[in-house]
Amino acid sequence: DQQVKQNSPSLSVQEGRISILNCDYTNSMFDYFLWYKKYPAEGPTFLISISSIKDKNEDGRFTVFLNKSAKHLSLHIVPSQPGDSAVYFCAAGVGNAGKSTFGDGTTLTVKP
Amino acid sequence: DAGVIQSPRHEVTEMGQEVTLRCKPISGHNSLFWYRQTMMRGLELLIYFNNNVPIDDSGMPEDRFSAKMPNASFSTLKIQPSEPRDSAVYFCASSLFTTTETQYFGPGTRLLVL
Repeated sequence: DQQVKQNSPSLSVQEGRISILNCDYTNSMFDYFLWYKKYPAEGPTFLISISSIKDKNEDGRFTVFLNKSAKHLSLHIVPSQPGDSAVYFCAAGVGNAGKSTFGDGTTLTVKP
Repeated sequence: DAGVIQSPRHEVTEMGQEVTLRCKPISGHNSLFWYRQTMMRGLELLIYFNNNVPIDDSGMPEDRFSAKMPNASFSTLKIQPSEPRDSAVYFCASSLFTTTETQYFGPGTRLLVL
């Protein structure tokens, strides 16, 4: 049972446009959500997070939206840049459980 | 800060051999995680430690896998005997608290079992 799903394996956008990456989860106990970015031959790096008490968190060009009723979150990148091309992982966890469950990732390609 | 250090970066071995992967977490972090990434299963948590104690090893695939954390600055993941299906990238990550606190990942060890 995959508790965190990223249904789009890949996404391609034009430089300057908005990138929207989606993530769905099934476990209603999740109360903390994170996005990681991964470049080839490197480990994932933390990008942005949101707790279940919020529905939006913004950090520069990156905004994460959380819809608890739909068990859905999304990452918006505006404007997209070629350097944003990477694999993006959605992760979720329960605050006191000590671990996160990761989605399979979405490969974003930003074309110049 | 040097970040999470993993060694070796690449390992090629033959089926049946023992493989040992090593990890040095970020100094001061008290949680350590081992992940495996494959095309088929994505990024899956194998085991994690808090204050050097294994907390959850439910992701360890089978008895051929074992992990230890003898002290706060070192952990190993051992596969004995190794099989071709163990070929994957193994990541180690550390964090400051045993919550959903941000995890810092190492560069990974790419393992190929022939």
